[in-house]
Amino acid sequence: GAGVSQSPSNKVTEKGKDVELRCDPISGHTALYWYRQRLGQGLEFLIYFQGNSAPDKSGLPSDRFSAERTGESVSTLTIQRTQQEDSAVYLCASSRVSGQIYNEQFFGPGTRLTVL
Amino acid sequence: GDSVTQMEGPVTLSEEAFLTINCTYTATGYPSLFWYVQYPGEGLQLLLKATKADDKGSNKGFEATYRKETTSFHLEKGSVQVSDSAVYFCALFSPGNTPLVFGKGTRLSVIA
Repeated sequence: GAGVSQSPSNKVTEKGKDVELRCDPISGHTALYWYRQRLGQGLEFLIYFQGNSAPDKSGLPSDRFSAERTGESVSTLTIQRTQQEDSAVYLCASSRVSGQIYNEQFFGPGTRLTVL
Repeated sequence: GDSVTQMEGPVTLSEEAFLTINCTYTATGYPSLFWYVQYPGEGLQLLLKATKADDKGSNKGFEATYRKETTSFHLEKGSVQVSDSAVYFCALFSPGNTPLVFGKGTRLSVIA
């Protein structure tokens, strides 16, 4: 079946511009995560959606970052007024219900963002 | 907070060599431990996991044992292949903390 998809696969933008990154989770997965992978670093958690609950935004690095999710489907990560330090691979993952029990997170291929 | 430390790369090995990638963790609770692999041009995939002390996760010839006494989860493979070339990430999940906590990744290159 279809896995997690992300678009675009690559995005080059100029400093100060806004960008939108899209994630299509696996159908039926209620949990959706955004992570960031900067060069030479591990994956940093950004934000987590679970069903209709308020999202966990504790990983967002600044108020320039925001994300939305429509129901249990597509999510969009928006970065406003991009800075060079925002250059990274942005990964999306989805899973069945989360919480106390680990449910395998399935990752998309990522969006490579380059801010010039 | 929780954290994962894994050996720095890159690691370059000849085909059929023995592989060890070290991983240690810090967690307040009793986490589950994972190894993820990222092949060139592909997304992260779960390679193996262990959910309690002394559990051994295994897949595709790779193994890792959950050692609570040393807070470690080292990845091993007895004979690597060129197709094992990838970036390997150690990760943990603590109940109640829904995001995974990842190490920085170790790039493995296997040469024929």
